[in-house]
Amino acid sequence: NAGVTQTPKFQVLKTGQSMTLQCAQDMNHEYMSWYRQDPGMGLRLIHYSVGAGITDQGEVPNGYNVSRSTTEDFPLRLLSAAPSQTSVYFCASSNAGTGHYGYTFGSGTRLTVV
Amino acid sequence: DQQVKQNSPSLSVQEGRISILNCDYTNSMFDYFLWYKKYPAEGPTFLISISSIKDKNEDGRFTVFLNKSAKHLSLHIVPSQPGDSAVYFCAAGIQGAQKLVFGQGTRLTINP
Repeated sequence: NAGVTQTPKFQVLKTGQSMTLQCAQDMNHEYMSWYRQDPGMGLRLIHYSVGAGITDQGEVPNGYNVSRSTTEDFPLRLLSAAPSQTSVYFCASSNAGTGHYGYTFGSGTRLTVV
Repeated sequence: DQQVKQNSPSLSVQEGRISILNCDYTNSMFDYFLWYKKYPAEGPTFLISISSIKDKNEDGRFTVFLNKSAKHLSLHIVPSQPGDSAVYFCAAGIQGAQKLVFGQGTRLTINP
């Protein structure tokens, strides 16, 4: 099925561990982004990319790294996990060239850091 | 600094009645606004959008109204159905920039 695929769906990490959240889209979208959802905070932008090889920081980038080596993939790396990074993470993509600015979201990764 | 605010965390409406969800923004540069719907354990899905050149956009039971002078938008759902029970996020952006800022969300519950 076409869309945005996120893996894993659930993850528990110990403080200080590192991991990579995977995101892949098969719609040839140029724009991809990572958001985290926390209670009462809505969706906050972590990092985004306007195309392969180009990334930039969002509202809450600290503790996270991204890279965009291909159009399809946009992994999010947690360098040294902290309990404050317990959240639900969503990857999204869009193609403004169509004139439509709506995002297509993945189903999310629920991360718990203990 | 919350640029997009949804001040009502929750809303309960009787089935068949109108649901009105509100959203305020502070950045006058925003010229594109969207509403997303989210069910538990799923990602948000796009619902409806409006450009700043319009003050109303309608799609079936869903209508979005934009009041630029008040920096306020609202989503009307008529008639409300049980399947509309979800969390609704409003989002704002600048055309061409693709980056969206989201509100905190409003949990809508439709009671039978």
